[in-house]
Amino acid sequence: TQLLEQSPQFLSIQEGENLTVYCNSSSVFSSLQWYRQEPGEGPVLLVTVVTGGEVKKLKRLTFQFGDARKDSSLHITAAQPGDTGLYLCRIYNQGGKLIFGQGTELSVKP
Amino acid sequence: ETGVTQTPRHLVMGMTNKKSLKCEQHLGHNAMYWYKQSAKKPLELMFVYNFKEQTENNSVPSRFSPECPNSSHLFLHLHTLQPEDSALYLCASSQELFRDRDTEAFFGQGTRLTVV
Repeated sequence: TQLLEQSPQFLSIQEGENLTVYCNSSSVFSSLQWYRQEPGEGPVLLVTVVTGGEVKKLKRLTFQFGDARKDSSLHITAAQPGDTGLYLCRIYNQGGKLIFGQGTELSVKP
Repeated sequence: ETGVTQTPRHLVMGMTNKKSLKCEQHLGHNAMYWYKQSAKKPLELMFVYNFKEQTENNSVPSRFSPECPNSSHLFLHLHTLQPEDSALYLCASSQELFRDRDTEAFFGQGTRLTVV
């Protein structure tokens, strides 16, 4: 069974700080998506990465797909209270199965 | 109304009750899904429907019974649940089944279920 681990599980920071969250798999995967789930809402897609080594930017968010296709990171610059939420990674593994990580719960305090 | 809508938003039920969760999508998608989200655990895929036909049942107990009368509506019928079934139940849809690795899932806001 392919395991998907996100770290840290919880992160509480002050507005303006930078942060990085990670998504690591026990084996290679085909593609990865990052979702953000705000309190009381369902997850919303942020980005899809499909190429090893790929870097994508979405305003203050930078997503990286590891060269070995087993990990990904999400870096947020100058975090704002509106970034608060649960960040989920989801992979499409080589067996054609979709797997979610348990998420990183981010709290950005004003 | 657009997107994926779930009702009710909150539900408290006894272990002997029968209730149903409803999901409706206005996106013209062909695939719909039920997920269970428990605290500190990964989202668990429960059921998958494609063009109204169930294509996946991930070993879900029979006390959960899905129904998909058409591509726009999905129900989850609940019967004799246990307290450990308390969770957020999310419905999602996608244009096609997740065979394309780029397929985006659109989620509803979820139903917060508490079994007492």
